[in-house]
Amino acid sequence: GAVVSQHPSWVICKSGTSVKIECRSLDFQATTMFWYRQFPKQSLMLMATSNEGSKATYEQGVEKDKFLINHASLTLSTLTVTSAHPEDSSFYICSARDLFRTVYGYTFGSGTRLTVV
Amino acid sequence: DQQVKQNSPSLSVQEGRISILNCDYTNSMFDYFLWYKKYPAEGPTFLISISSIKDKNEDGRFTVFLNKSAKHLSLHIVPSQPGDSAVYFCAAISEYGNKLVFGAGTILRVKS
Repeated sequence: GAVVSQHPSWVICKSGTSVKIECRSLDFQATTMFWYRQFPKQSLMLMATSNEGSKATYEQGVEKDKFLINHASLTLSTLTVTSAHPEDSSFYICSARDLFRTVYGYTFGSGTRLTVV
Repeated sequence: DQQVKQNSPSLSVQEGRISILNCDYTNSMFDYFLWYKKYPAEGPTFLISISSIKDKNEDGRFTVFLNKSAKHLSLHIVPSQPGDSAVYFCAAISEYGNKLVFGAGTILRVKS
């Protein structure tokens, strides 16, 4: 089955530093990847849609200069949280869509717990 | 504007009994609905789905029912097992979209 690998699984960083999170589709090509954020006891909120070879599409209210997304290849998308602050602490999850599958082709990574101190 | 709603934040069920998780949606353009299961500090895993052209889909202990006129779907788990304890998310998507819209989730606790 489709596998999405997300790294790191957890990271602690100092306020003001930047953190990069990687999302890789291991056994399929993904022209589109999605980045979600989950606050405690809340739903998964879509942050942006990452398109291979083009700029990401950000959801309303998401700062594109703070959450930099790069989708340089069909198997890798990265999310960089720049100048992180404690309020950026959250659980970030990526999802990739298999080119050759339909609606059911959304596979999620295992998530990254970011803690900014 | 919450297009997908899971109004029950939590549900507690005895092992062996039926668990019923509910989901309502407002966008009539949605035509695929999915249920995901999520453990803490992990990504969601796909559980079961249903197309809008059907009213029922069954996979082992899991059955999803769709009532289009009421814009309501439900996930039935029977018999419930302690390992089913997790957060269950309802999600929806339209044929012409590529974004899954998630509900807020329901925490299911199955007591042994």
